[in-house]
Amino acid sequence: SQTIHQWPATLVQPVGSPLSLECTVEGTSNPNLYWYRQAAGRGLQLLFYSVGIGQISSEVPQNLSASRPQDRQFILSSKKLLLSDSGFYLCAWSVEKEKLFFGSGTQLSVL
Amino acid sequence: AQSVAQPEDQVNVAEGNPLTVKCTYSVSGNPYLFWYVQYPNRGLQFLLKYITGDNLVKGSYGFEAEFNKSQTSFHLKKPSALVSDSALYFCAVRHSTGGFKTIFGAGTRLFVKA
Repeated sequence: SQTIHQWPATLVQPVGSPLSLECTVEGTSNPNLYWYRQAAGRGLQLLFYSVGIGQISSEVPQNLSASRPQDRQFILSSKKLLLSDSGFYLCAWSVEKEKLFFGSGTQLSVL
Repeated sequence: AQSVAQPEDQVNVAEGNPLTVKCTYSVSGNPYLFWYVQYPNRGLQFLLKYITGDNLVKGSYGFEAEFNKSQTSFHLKKPSALVSDSALYFCAVRHSTGGFKTIFGAGTRLFVKA
């Protein structure tokens, strides 16, 4: 069966420090991969999505970047975190027109 | 451009009463529509989807949703609410062709009182 792993679950980082959040999917090939950010327990903002290795679509210009070095690995990064980068980050995957499967999320606090 | 609107920040309903959580969408062409539920500090869980076919879609935990093309709506319903249904509900839309981008509404918090 398919599973998605996202880590860490919580992260506290100082302003100006780098960021790396990792997401891996098991049990499927060539998934579509997504990074969403959820602010204050409400709406989800699509940050990046990828339909294949090295193919990244950015939805919102910001302080973050994404990479897909392997078929089932999706990484969210920042060189220097801002206070406004705080939030709940969710990784997800899908195939074709099917539903999204979400990871358990990373609560990022930038102080 | 795709967009989703959930006009209610919060819905309050008594246990045993029917509930409705509203959603309207905007997308060119035919949409794929979804409902997800989120419990505190967790990822989202899939409830149901509309791709094609019958306008009334049945999903998990007794939820159902009705697709109305003329009103561009996809309201979530349940005949009898449970306290355990209290959570944050998200409507989402994806274009049926040309891409895999899924856009979510702002979410509606459902409170079911005993």
